Order: sequence, then structure tokens, then C-alpha cells
Amino acid sequence: NAGVTQTPKFQVLKTGQSMTLQCAQDMNHEYMSWYRQDPGMGLRLIHYSVGAGITDQGEVPNGYNVSRSTTEDFPLRLLSAAPSQTSVYFCATQPNLPGQTNYGYTFGSGTRLTVV
Amino acid sequence: SQELEQSPQSLIVQEGKNLTINCTSSKTLYGLYWYKQKYGEGLIFLMMLQKGGEEKSHEKITAKLDEKKQQSSLHITASQPSHAGIYLCGALPSNSGGSNYKLTFGKGTLLTVNP
Repeated sequence: NAGVTQTPKFQVLKTGQSMTLQCAQDMNHEYMSWYRQDPGMGLRLIHYSVGAGITDQGEVPNGYNVSRSTTEDFPLRLLSAAPSQTSVYFCATQPNLPGQTNYGYTFGSGTRLTVV
Repeated sequence: SQELEQSPQSLIVQEGKNLTINCTSSKTLYGLYWYKQKYGEGLIFLMMLQKGGEEKSHEKITAKLDEKKQQSSLHITASQPSHAGIYLCGALPSNSGGSNYKLTFGKGTLLTVNP
């Protein structure tokens, strides 16, 4: 049982390049989200999804695209990388149970991205 | 937007000592989550508090939410090296509508436990 798998673990990009960060889960969780973690800024929500075909923006969505075609996968796309997107990216999932908030997220181990 | 202040930013204790980490919100909360992160890894969910005055324990870690639902404390009794890591609080504002899709996190408290 893999849980939440993020790939790659490390990536270096040049400014202007594009790439996709992958997040896959095998727990049949409907909710999936992407956070970025920066020193002194904590974790900030980029985008989230409550099911296949449904996505919404978080606190810092600019420069990132997402789509959710299956329950298992929630890729995060950087269309034109900028140095400001240097960060550690975490994918988080949970069962989607509206009105029940006592579940915690299950986090992946993160992707460390450097944009030069 | 919801703002969470954690204190202290970092903490160094001797093994066996007790310690407390605080999380304060600028607004009344619907719920408060505590997570632990080891360096280079993802976050691990510890517990969630929702009712004013509620207290929960997970092994030697106890968390409490105050009656006003704006402040939470995390207390570790008889700390061990395994407790070392970053502790983060995450909050749901009172107008969250009963869903926890958009947690706001504090910046974290780095705990070092010296043997």
C-alpha cells in the first residue's frame, strides 16, 4: 500500500521551462491538493480537487495549472518556471466527507524544485 | 484571511523535559489540526480539535483548544529524541462551511531534543 506517491523527488529547471509534478494515491481519496512550503512562509495551498473533473484555486494559484481526470492522479503543471517557484511541493489527500472535518490529510514526501 | 501565529519558532530541550508549543489565530476557528514533519519528509497528522476546551492526547503528546477557539497548545511530556521535528498547526476558519478543503497552516515550530 503506497499511500501518496510524488515524483520526482528532486528537480532543477531553467527559467521558462515547463514541467509536471506528479501525485498518485491508491487510497481512493476524493480530495487531493497541492501545497508549497517555503522558509518563513509555511505551507500555502496552490490548488485542490474534491473529485475527478473538479478543481479549485487555493491561496497561490498563479503560474500553476491542474487537472483531475482520475481519482488516483492530480498532476501540477508549471507552464513557464520562474525562480519564485523554487520551493518544496507537497501533495495531500483525504476522503471527501462533507461536514466531517476530523480527518487529517495524508501527505506525500514532497518534490524539491529549484528554478535557476 | 486566516492568520496563524506559532510560538516559539524553535525550541531546544533536553531529553526527558516537558515542553509546550502554541498556535494562536487572529479569528475564531472551526477546527484546529496539529501535524508533525520530519526533515525532508511530508507531514504526519497528529490530532484535530473542534470544540472549545477540548483536549486530546496521542501517546505523550497532548493538545488543547481554548474556550474561545482561538488558541491551541501542544504539550509534550518527557520528551524523547523521536519527538524531534517541525510541528505545524493548521486551521479551518469558522466560515469554512463544514468542509476542510482549504487548511491554513502556521509557519511551524522546530523542536530539537538533545539526548
